[in-house]
Amino acid sequence: SQQGEEDPQALSIQEGENATMNCSYKTSINNLQWYRQNSGRGLVHLILIRSNEREKHSGRLRVTLDTSKKSSSLLITASRAADTASYFCATAIQGAQKLVFGQGTRLTINP
Amino acid sequence: DSGVTQTPKHLITATGQRVTLRCSPRSGDLSVYWYQQSLDQGLQFLIQYYNGEERAKGNILERFSAQQFPDLHSELNLSSLELGDSALYFCASSVDGRAYTGELFFGEGSRLTVL
Repeated sequence: SQQGEEDPQALSIQEGENATMNCSYKTSINNLQWYRQNSGRGLVHLILIRSNEREKHSGRLRVTLDTSKKSSSLLITASRAADTASYFCATAIQGAQKLVFGQGTRLTINP
Repeated sequence: DSGVTQTPKHLITATGQRVTLRCSPRSGDLSVYWYQQSLDQGLQFLIQYYNGEERAKGNILERFSAQQFPDLHSELNLSSLELGDSALYFCASSVDGRAYTGELFFGEGSRLTVL
């Protein structure tokens, strides 16, 4: 099974509402990163949170990390139609030279 | 624009054939990573090169190979293609060889269709 698993797989909300996506992982990590992918396009880095951090903000994005529960959440506030995309968490596994991506959450913002 | 360039953008070929995908990393980035994205497998890490040398290996099939050249561009060679190799292949780059310390910059991908 995947190191990082996002929940829910798909999310549809109205413009202006907040969107929350969750990511769970299995092994110890150095950091956890969130990426966005517009349909068929390349992934774009959103935010990185290190294993010794609990919360991080970037604009309308808020990321939390709970290493005891091996989970992270991404909150997008005041969503816009342009936020419609797939969102992936990626874990930098301790001792491994790679970044492992989850299956992603498909977010749809309805106008 | 991430600064990472991938060619070709689209490629249609037949089973049993061989193709080469090319990637030019961002200026100054020494590491190149290859990922395969398919509907059923998600985004799978294939291989990483750092300054011309292989740094990490993921779920790369023996039919696939890659290399990074002195000018830091990279090529991913896919041979004896099968229908299941149809996917979006991404290249990403980073400044150093440690994907786990910073962000990756992704290209727009090469969409491979095997008929």
